Amino acid sequence: SQQGEEDPQALSIQEGENATMNCSYKTSINNLQWYRQNSGRGLVHLILIRSNEREKHSGRLRVTLDTSKKSSSLLITASRAADTASYFCATDAGGTSYGKLTFGQGTILTVHP
Amino acid sequence: DTAVSQTPKYLVTQMGNDKSIKCEQNLGHDTMYWYKQDSKKFLKIMFSYNNKELIINETVPNRFSPKSPDKAHLNLHINSLELGDSAVYFCASREAGELFFGEGSRLTVL
Repeated sequence: SQQGEEDPQALSIQEGENATMNCSYKTSINNLQWYRQNSGRGLVHLILIRSNEREKHSGRLRVTLDTSKKSSSLLITASRAADTASYFCATDAGGTSYGKLTFGQGTILTVHP
Repeated sequence: DTAVSQTPKYLVTQMGNDKSIKCEQNLGHDTMYWYKQDSKKFLKIMFSYNNKELIINETVPNRFSPKSPDKAHLNLHINSLELGDSAVYFCASREAGELFFGEGSRLTVL
């Protein structure tokens, strides 16, 4: 069964606004990652947060992780039209499953100029 | 320089045919994957190889056969194609937990 579930499924905002996407998962994890996919392209890694971390930043991206609630959020600040893409969370359970990422179904973000 | 490259990018074929997708990575990574993305954008792992050895084999019909001639290459051969095989197939390699994806190969079975 699918590990990650993302919310919302689609998000439409204006340039300059912040975008927040949420991800929930079911089982224990070693780390959680966020990926971006532009239409018709491959996925690009954005950020990885380990299970013992609560928050991580990278440029305009901020990721939080709450292992007690089995949830994560991705915040994109000061969004740009070029941020328009699908965003996926992926969980890595570690152990013998290390490296096997289980993806959510993604959030489609549209940023209007 | 393309890090993970897949060929072909598009593949249209008839049911019952056999087809292959090739993948090469020039990143020096030991581990490579095949993922399938369906029409709803759901990504599911199919196979993983580490240094030419199969380490993950999900519940995939045995019509799908991966082959890794060396750690830089991971090919996917599909026999007796079915309509449900239509999808985008992504190759990826891994370093320190992070996946590097190719651009995908869109397979359409008619």
